[in-house]
Amino acid sequence: AQSVAQPEDQVNVAEGNPLTVKCTYSVSGNPYLFWYVQYPNRGLQFLLKYITGDNLVKGSYGFEAEFNKSQTSFHLKKPSALVSDSALYFCAVRDRGSNYQLIWGAGTKLIIKP
Amino acid sequence: DAMVIQNPRYQVTQFGKPVTLSCSQTLNHNVMYWYQQKSSQAPKLLFHYYDKDFNNEADTPDNFQSRRPNTSFCFLDIRSPGLGDAAMYLCATSSSGTSLWRANVLTFGAGSRLTVL
Repeated sequence: AQSVAQPEDQVNVAEGNPLTVKCTYSVSGNPYLFWYVQYPNRGLQFLLKYITGDNLVKGSYGFEAEFNKSQTSFHLKKPSALVSDSALYFCAVRDRGSNYQLIWGAGTKLIIKP
Repeated sequence: DAMVIQNPRYQVTQFGKPVTLSCSQTLNHNVMYWYQQKSSQAPKLLFHYYDKDFNNEADTPDNFQSRRPNTSFCFLDIRSPGLGDAAMYLCATSSSGTSLWRANVLTFGAGSRLTVL
């Protein structure tokens, strides 16, 4: 079965420190990979995606993600965390060869402490 | 700005009393989705419209229905809400106009939070 794993329910980081939110997937072929962010009581917002090419993808708000095909991972990173980055982050994957919908991870709550 | 608007943002209903949630979009996207999200969990797809074609997920209860009268609007009808239907309902849109349409992102509305008393 196809799946997306976000192994950490919550990640705590001090402001100014680098952050990583982990995502691994089990999907056949070469899927499209996405990160979305959700602020409290809001809908999800797109951050970045990987289609092809450079394994390091840059997105909104200074976030980037590194695609690793051998480890089937797509970890979200930021060099220097801000308190305003505190939110719920979802990794999502889509099989590029089918009409299946997005497969979502369970989400990781990111807390940035001043 | 082009956007996805959901109304109402907060809806309180009584057990068994029908509810309709609305979604409108100015993006001219041909695909519209309804997701259910409970307490910070991953969003769960209920159904989607690909143009006028309705696609129901296999595990979506019959209690949930949807209408899409035109490209811009989509409605979610909950015929007899139960306590378990209390959740955030998210509308999203995307475009399928290119060969890489599966790589297109979803644009979400702010959501409608449903409380069932």
